[in-house]
Amino acid sequence: TQLLEQSPQFLSIQEGENLTVYCNSSSVFSSLQWYRQEPGEGPVLLVTVVTGGEVKKLKRLTFQFGDARKDSSLHITAAQPGDTGLYLCAGSNTGNQFYFGTGTSLTVIP
Amino acid sequence: NAGVTQTPKFQVLKTGQSMTLQCAQDMNHEYMSWYRQDPGMGLRLIHYSVGAGITDQGEVPNGYNVSRSTTEDFPLRLLSAAPSQTSVYFCASSYSTVGNTIYFGEGSWLTVV
Repeated sequence: TQLLEQSPQFLSIQEGENLTVYCNSSSVFSSLQWYRQEPGEGPVLLVTVVTGGEVKKLKRLTFQFGDARKDSSLHITAAQPGDTGLYLCAGSNTGNQFYFGTGTSLTVIP
Repeated sequence: NAGVTQTPKFQVLKTGQSMTLQCAQDMNHEYMSWYRQDPGMGLRLIHYSVGAGITDQGEVPNGYNVSRSTTEDFPLRLLSAAPSQTSVYFCASSYSTVGNTIYFGEGSWLTVV
């Protein structure tokens, strides 16, 4: 059972376009994180959100945690080829496990 | 600053063989875990440990064993390799689970033929 579902699974856009990736669950999480993974490497943390409704910005990336702490979104403005990669959301709760989403593979075409 | 180091990077096994994937971290993290990554499946938790001497099962533990004799090391053992265990394996560590950064190793590509 996949606790965190991401959509879309694949996304191919032109440089300069905007995009949004969604991470949804029926479970409540104490915190939610977004990671980016490049080919041949392990995932690297982008952001952690812990408060329902919280919005964090990292340059052209905007992250939002849902009010009920069950979902999150990642919005990229004016995508660049360097944004290409696999984006993973991960949730943690009071149990001792991190749950990862199914992943969104983003390709930004120059 | 080594972070999380896992070896080997690549391995080919025959069905039925056993092997151990090594993982070490130098950040004094209590929490360590092993994931496997398959296309379209994201990262699935195999086993995890919240401290030396303590291990527990994740989502997909069958066919794998772990031990945590020290804070630094968390090896993953494949008891009798099967083709279904062909995957990329990641070791990870963090200070704790809630709200803390997970640091990943570079991955181990395992093929079982």
